[in-house]
Amino acid sequence: QSVVTQPPSASGTPGQRVTISCSGSSSNIGSHTVDWYQQLPGTAPKLVIYSSNQRPSGVPDRFSGSKSGTSASLAISGLQFEDEADYYCGAWDDSLNGVVFGGGTKLTVL
Amino acid sequence: QVQLVESGGSVVQPGRSLRLSCVASGLTFSSHGMHWVRQAPGRGLEWVAGIDFDGRRQYYVDSVRGRFTISRDDSKNTLYLHMSSPRAEDTAVYYCAKDRSLGSFDSWGQGTLVTVSS
Repeated sequence: QSVVTQPPSASGTPGQRVTISCSGSSSNIGSHTVDWYQQLPGTAPKLVIYSSNQRPSGVPDRFSGSKSGTSASLAISGLQFEDEADYYCGAWDDSLNGVVFGGGTKLTVL
Repeated sequence: QVQLVESGGSVVQPGRSLRLSCVASGLTFSSHGMHWVRQAPGRGLEWVAGIDFDGRRQYYVDSVRGRFTISRDDSKNTLYLHMSSPRAEDTAVYYCAKDRSLGSFDSWGQGTLVTVSS
């Protein structure tokens, strides 16, 4: 059971905006920035948001992130079929002295 | 661009040792912290271990502390994970990842599969 909680699934239709939540505690999200990773089927994870709201070069501006207190969220606007993937949030945890990931959210584009 | 290539994954019996390697290119390896992250079949991501850029500090998830050792050889641009006394629950794809900042991973390898089974 993860110390950081994500909904197991989310869905949307092409063009819609979807959000994925990530809930933690004062020792992780409450104290550190959050990263979001996209994992397409059969591939390695890819960083899509870092420092809670920054996009790496090459990531479409349809992806955005935010953080408030001990929670964070990833938003994807103008949803596309290619966005169908598993999404994980991650943050450093001061109590565990390591990185904690959420359990992952499977995004389905209907 | 940064490339990370893992190797060493195989089928290993419980209690036997195994060493994973990750060769890095396209970066100044000695300037970056590095980590191992694993993913059991059909499961989510789990951070396993990390090492600072200078190798002075290592970090481990509780479930592997005392059994696994992370190390690096900057002369070979290589990260290692020595797995002692592996258990069935250590079965997973192991990814090598480059640290952007305090456990934020901006480059990942393709992964190497470790299966612990008798």
